[in-house]
Amino acid sequence: DAGITQSPRHKVTETGTPVTLRCHQTENHRYMYWYRQDPGHGLRLIHYSYGVKDTDKGEVSDGYSVSRSKTEDFLLTLESATSSQTSVYFCAISGTGGLNTGELFFGEGSRLTVL
Amino acid sequence: GDSVTQMEGPVTLSEEAFLTINCTYTATGYPSLFWYVQYPGEGLQLLLKATKADDKGSNKGFEATYRKETTSFHLEKGSVQVSDSAVYFCASNTGNQFYFGTGTSLTVIP
Repeated sequence: DAGITQSPRHKVTETGTPVTLRCHQTENHRYMYWYRQDPGHGLRLIHYSYGVKDTDKGEVSDGYSVSRSKTEDFLLTLESATSSQTSVYFCAISGTGGLNTGELFFGEGSRLTVL
Repeated sequence: GDSVTQMEGPVTLSEEAFLTINCTYTATGYPSLFWYVQYPGEGLQLLLKATKADDKGSNKGFEATYRKETTSFHLEKGSVQVSDSAVYFCASNTGNQFYFGTGTSLTVIP
């Protein structure tokens, strides 16, 4: 199994509070991704990173920011959480970012509830 | 832009029944195609993949063939088991972006 750890695995918070989710990998993979999973929507990309300090937006990036100061860590921050951000968040990594048909490896998910 | 469409669920089958989950894609280039499976409480894991037209991906009795002419990548299994109960996601990849379908929930009853 790919070494991907997400923390926290479960969190309940209140509207307006900041929240940071952490993804840690031990595979030294270049590409890291944050997705959210919601019923009827499947997985939607929030942000991704293609190297240290190199990030880009996905299709649902509003209200989220990310940082990657080390190869192994990719942080997702909700500056002011809203109820619409209640979701299950998945981190994924890829060695090649899809080039040469590389696959994605997923963490176990972080369930966030915003009251 | 690129996208993936897969049949809506949920799908309920009896053990040993034949399974088909339809998946079609739109892409500006020549994507690789994937099926991922998600068991309850877990992240997604790769089930099979195909990287070019007419390739067949297979794993654990599941198969899917990359059909460029119909832009499809349907998942099939000849005889499902209770342990196959999960959510299945079709996905495509172009460059460093991955696109996922909405998922199809499969329940296999004994």
